[in-house]
Amino acid sequence: DSGVTQTPKHLITATGQRVTLRCSPRSGDLSVYWYQQSLDQGLQFLIQYYNGEERAKGNILERFSAQQFPDLHSELNLSSLELGDSALYFCASSVAGSGVSTDTQYFGPGTRLTVL
Amino acid sequence: ELKVEQNPLFLSMQEGKNYTIYCNYSTTSDRLYWYRQDPGKSLESLFVLLSNGAVKQEGRLMASLDTKARLSTLHITAAVHDLSATYFCAVEGGGADGLTFGKGTHLIIQP
Repeated sequence: DSGVTQTPKHLITATGQRVTLRCSPRSGDLSVYWYQQSLDQGLQFLIQYYNGEERAKGNILERFSAQQFPDLHSELNLSSLELGDSALYFCASSVAGSGVSTDTQYFGPGTRLTVL
Repeated sequence: ELKVEQNPLFLSMQEGKNYTIYCNYSTTSDRLYWYRQDPGKSLESLFVLLSNGAVKQEGRLMASLDTKARLSTLHITAAVHDLSATYFCAVEGGGADGLTFGKGTHLIIQP
């Protein structure tokens, strides 16, 4: 158990809908990262937040957005869902990001999204 | 654009044998990670390598980093069935803290 929690574990929805995935980082971690894992694209970095502020963007679609709240939990919002958005979405957390030499990203259990 | 290539992508081996997984990356990076993923599960952090010549070992797994060659290796010694999993290397860099992952090496260790 990494200490990172994600809800829900599974989500089944229809095309065109909007969903919200939630992540709570490990106690003391300030950075939250979102990743998408699919068979065709592999593991892709989507976005990073650090202490409530967006820090880095990866391959995140405009239909997707995220935020990090004052209690440091984060939400990933996916809208106008398409079949190709079906994937495992992981949240990871770390103490501070690249500023700490021994920092490691710890991954949550993931949310499996199925778009029908 | 930072690219990470792993090989082999699939490896079937017998218990007791040794083998090495290779990870090449395309640009200078601050850190290299190795993760393990079991089917349907999350990613478990194995190693973080920070500097040229870094070597870390945990049980039957040993990881090394050559930043000049932009190459990391994950060596498996006397493999056991419990090590069957998919192993990913990932690199941090390119101006962001997000990780760029290789495609993963699907490792099957047969008794």
